[in-house]
Amino acid sequence: DTEVTQTPKHLVMGMTNKKSLKCEQHMGHRAMYWYKQKAKKPPELMFVYSYEKLSINESVPSRFSPECPNSSLLNLHLHALQPEDSALYLCASSPQAGLEQFFGPGTRLTVL
Amino acid sequence: EDQVTQSPEALRLQEGESSSLNCSYTVSGLRGLFWYRQDPGKGPEFLFTLYSAGEEKEKERLKATLTKKESFLHITAPKPEDSATYLCVLAETSYDKVIFGPGTSLSVIP
Repeated sequence: DTEVTQTPKHLVMGMTNKKSLKCEQHMGHRAMYWYKQKAKKPPELMFVYSYEKLSINESVPSRFSPECPNSSLLNLHLHALQPEDSALYLCASSPQAGLEQFFGPGTRLTVL
Repeated sequence: EDQVTQSPEALRLQEGESSSLNCSYTVSGLRGLFWYRQDPGKGPEFLFTLYSAGEEKEKERLKATLTKKESFLHITAPKPEDSATYLCVLAETSYDKVIFGPGTSLSVIP
């Protein structure tokens, strides 16, 4: 299996909702990442997990909460988001942190 | 400070018209340089990794090359399906994150 999968593909939520994004890989990779991407911009790093431990948090607001339950799974918990948080959220994995990353298809998030 | 720039910002080619995309970088220690293509609304698709100056990689109509300051993505006889944004990404030796260039948006017109 050489894929990174993400669910859901699309998510619409209100500012008071709580939702979660899910990412899964079965390539045996030990690093996983969350990125946020706005239109016509490159992906912007949010979090890095290396060997299931959070190694980088790029000063992301606390309304975004990552979780890595095991080496194959990565979640992003969302709470009290703002309309400006609407974006494409991408998950990626790599054999180890800092090597080439393989991206999932993304979750298109709209915050109303 | 490590950084990555790409040029041109946008490129429009006729089908079959070969060209090159440029990625210029400064880095204290290069772990690797990666090329990706991204279609609108989708995740980036990995193309190549280059590790050291002089290295070249090829895949179908694409060829990536690396010098100590630049990488080029050469596109030979492009087709409309090559239309995408091409991202150059830099990995430095001493930290876990990578640095994305701003991308080149390529349009290939039939």
